[in-house]
Amino acid sequence: SQQGEEDPQALSIQEGENATMNCSYKTSINNLQWYRQNSGRGLVHLILIRSNEREKHSGRLRVTLDTSKKSSSLLITASRAADTASYFCATAAQYNFNKFYFGSGTKLNVKP
Amino acid sequence: SAVISQKPSRDICQRGTSLTIQCQVDSQVTMMFWYRQQPGQSLTLIATANQGSEATYESGFVIDKFPISRPNLTFSTLTVSNMSPEDSSIYLCSVGAIDSPSLQFFGPGTRLTVL
Repeated sequence: SQQGEEDPQALSIQEGENATMNCSYKTSINNLQWYRQNSGRGLVHLILIRSNEREKHSGRLRVTLDTSKKSSSLLITASRAADTASYFCATAAQYNFNKFYFGSGTKLNVKP
Repeated sequence: SAVISQKPSRDICQRGTSLTIQCQVDSQVTMMFWYRQQPGQSLTLIATANQGSEATYESGFVIDKFPISRPNLTFSTLTVSNMSPEDSSIYLCSVGAIDSPSLQFFGPGTRLTVL
């Protein structure tokens, strides 16, 4: 299975602090994406990083990708209570990029 | 990005019955997918809904249990058949972005509880 693991499984921080989540996967990928899910609802796409990229920024989000270690991290800076959600990484297989494999997810709680 | 709606948003069903979930997109898309998210778990791909042909199922999922229809490029249905409590999950449809095939947008999900 290509499904990876995320850690930590749960993270609780104070508003204003940074939150870092990690994702590991198992096989070669075309790209890696991060999604947010609020309270068991639909997923919101956050950011996509391609296999030939090492770092990407979007607003308060910073994503890194290390293909040699098959891992990625998502950093949320200056967190807000509204960032409270579950965060999932998803990898698209190298030769079948329509097929997504989701990590186990990190549940982030940002306390006001 | 595509706007995706799902019906129903939630349902409580009796075991042994079937439920059909609808997924509607506001634009024509090539790729549509169905996922299952069991309580507290991550998402697992059930199948790719192919327009005009049978769906392509992932390992562990079969057509008899999860029949899928895709009559056109904006609509698909997933039926959960002969339900048991183990089928209690959130079911989500997603579509591939037109300009970026490896990007998917997700519907709001259908929360199913089977008693």
